[in-house]
Amino acid sequence: AQRVTQPEKLLSVFKGAPVELKCNYSYSGSPELFWYVQYSRQRLQLLLRHISRESIKGFTADLNKGETSFHLKKPFAQEEDSAMYYCALGTSGTYKYIFGTGTRLKVLA
Amino acid sequence: SQTIHQWPATLVQPVGSPLSLECTVEGTSNPNLYWYRQAAGRGLQLLFYSVGIGQISSEVPQNLSASRPQDRQFILSSKKLLLSDSGFYLCACTTGTGNYEQYFGPGTRLTVT
Repeated sequence: AQRVTQPEKLLSVFKGAPVELKCNYSYSGSPELFWYVQYSRQRLQLLLRHISRESIKGFTADLNKGETSFHLKKPFAQEEDSAMYYCALGTSGTYKYIFGTGTRLKVLA
Repeated sequence: SQTIHQWPATLVQPVGSPLSLECTVEGTSNPNLYWYRQAAGRGLQLLFYSVGIGQISSEVPQNLSASRPQDRQFILSSKKLLLSDSGFYLCACTTGTGNYEQYFGPGTRLTVT
């Protein structure tokens, strides 16, 4: 079955500390993986996707097919990073996206 | 660039009443359209998606239905609301083929009383 797991509902870190938001997926095909972010009172928006291999707002995520993971990382958290983060799986050959349950990141001053 | 509009923004309806939520897209043609329900602790649940006019795929059997009467219009409906239909409903679109970035609307908060 296709599934995305985000084990942490809430992650609190201090400003300047490293951040890692975990995402594991279950999919037998070739996955397309994304991280979406929702800041307070804003729309859900794309943060980054694995195929782009880019860093956005200091965040990076590497697809590890062996561990079926796509963890989101940032070396030094900022207060403005506080938001809800969703990991999403796009399934090749279909138009469906499967989202995880989300992790709320709180960066403390 | 594409923009998604949803209305109403909030809605309070009694149990057993009908529902119609509307989503329209600007700035693109032939989008793939999606309805999600967002619930705390449950993430985004895909309800319906559509790859063209009149083409609807249902992901979760439930009290809701969807229709796409025009290329850039997507409607979520119910004949009789249940308490369990309360939630935050998001419309989204993608453009092009394959798996691309999803653009989301502002959402509709539905409370069934």
